[in-house]
Amino acid sequence: DTGVSQDPRHKITKRGQNVTFRCDPISEHNRLYWYRQTLGQGPEFLTYFQNEAQLEKSRLLSDRFSAERPKGSFSTLEIQRTEQGDSAMYLCASSLRTGGSYEQYFGPGTRLTVT
Amino acid sequence: DAKTTQPTSMDCAEGRAANLPCNHSTISGNEYVYWYRQIHSQGPQYIIHGLKNNETNEMASLIITEDRKSSTLILPHATLRDTAVYYCIVRPGSSNTGKLIFGQGTTLQVKP
Repeated sequence: DTGVSQDPRHKITKRGQNVTFRCDPISEHNRLYWYRQTLGQGPEFLTYFQNEAQLEKSRLLSDRFSAERPKGSFSTLEIQRTEQGDSAMYLCASSLRTGGSYEQYFGPGTRLTVT
Repeated sequence: DAKTTQPTSMDCAEGRAANLPCNHSTISGNEYVYWYRQIHSQGPQYIIHGLKNNETNEMASLIITEDRKSSTLILPHATLRDTAVYYCIVRPGSSNTGKLIFGQGTTLQVKP
C-alpha cells in the first residue's frame, strides 16, 4: 500500500497525559499537512511542512501541540497535557506540488479520546 | 479564500446520477474549485478539481458555470458506496500553503 499511513488508528488517554501520533506520507510527496476533525464538522487545518520545514501553524495549534518532520519524511504530532477538548480525529495528508494546483491525499486518521 | 455554500444533505437513487451543487460567488480568477469526499470513519478523498473548463475523470465530472460563481459535481451512476460527505473547496492556485479550508459539506445518501 503506497498511501498515507497513520499510527495509531485509535488512542484513548487520560486527561493530562502526553500523546504522540505518527504520519507516513506518500514517499515522493514534499508537503505534509495535519488537520483536526471533531464530530459533525469538516477537517480544520493545523499545520503544514514543506520537506522538513514547518511553514505555517494555525491558531488552533496551542503551545501544547508540537509537530515535527525530521529529514522531510515521516511526521509526528505531539499533544502535551491532553484535555478533553482535544478529543478528535487527527488527519494527516500529503501532496506533491506541481505547477499551480495539486491534490492532497489523506490518511485514515488517528482518533483520540481523552477521558 | 472564497467561501462556498452547499446544501446540507441530498438523496439519490442507486444507479441514477447524483448532481451536487456548490455556490462560490466570490471566487477570484486564480482560484480553483476542488471536490473531496469523506466516507464515514475514513480520511477525505480527492475527487476532482478545475479552474474554468469542465473536467471529467474516472470518478466524476465537474461542471463550472461560465461566470465561475457556481459548480456542480456529477457522479454519473451513483452506488451505495458513494454515500459520503462531499466538500466543495475553493483555493488559490498560487497558495503558498495549499491548505484546504473545509466547510460543512453535503451529506449524500444513496438509496437502493
